[in-house]
Amino acid sequence: KAGVTQTPRYLIKTRGQQVTLSCSPISGHRSVSWYQQTPGQGLQFLFEYFSETQRNKGNFPGRFSGRQFSNSRSEMNVSTLELGDSALYLCASSSEPPGQGYTGELFFGEGSRLTVL
Amino acid sequence: DQQVKQNSPSLSVQEGRISILNCDYTNSMFDYFLWYKKYPAEGPTFLISISSIKDKNEDGRFTVFLNKSAKHLSLHIVPSQPGDSAVYFCGAAGNKLTFGGGTRVLVKP
Repeated sequence: KAGVTQTPRYLIKTRGQQVTLSCSPISGHRSVSWYQQTPGQGLQFLFEYFSETQRNKGNFPGRFSGRQFSNSRSEMNVSTLELGDSALYLCASSSEPPGQGYTGELFFGEGSRLTVL
Repeated sequence: DQQVKQNSPSLSVQEGRISILNCDYTNSMFDYFLWYKKYPAEGPTFLISISSIKDKNEDGRFTVFLNKSAKHLSLHIVPSQPGDSAVYFCGAAGNKLTFGGGTRVLVKP
């Protein structure tokens, strides 16, 4: 079974630009979550989608947005990039939404490393 | 508002000894807890989990303990091996999965 695939793996942008990251979940998984990893901040929750609906959103500014398509693939977009947006962005999929009695695990992709200059 | 905290950013241990990683949480609504392990340039991988109705779960060299009254959980690795050197994240599930800041473990040969 193929794992979670994230593209691109690495990218460099300049301040003010926007970026779109893509995530293909494990086949059959309908829930996709996004996390930002920065040194010292751990894994910060961005948002979670299930069946094309955003169920939860973390404490990030409106510049961060996402969506999920009918095939469960997800994209996240960051507009007007700032230097502080440099991070590893991780996507995770699961068969059911985390919480609400779900006791399974999240399966993470390898991440997209964004550098903002 | 950090609902999940790992107060030790790093831990160094000798090969063969026990590694103890700690995690504290504030939200009593969390009902499921997980530990993930992350190597550089890889995504986190699931290690072990525990339901809030239990106080211990064991899987080989890994044991997770949960103290609900103290809102505290710990991960024990016995014996520690050099391949265990990684960053470990504690996660707590309510309506979403919230992670701590991570603990970097270095196992010295």
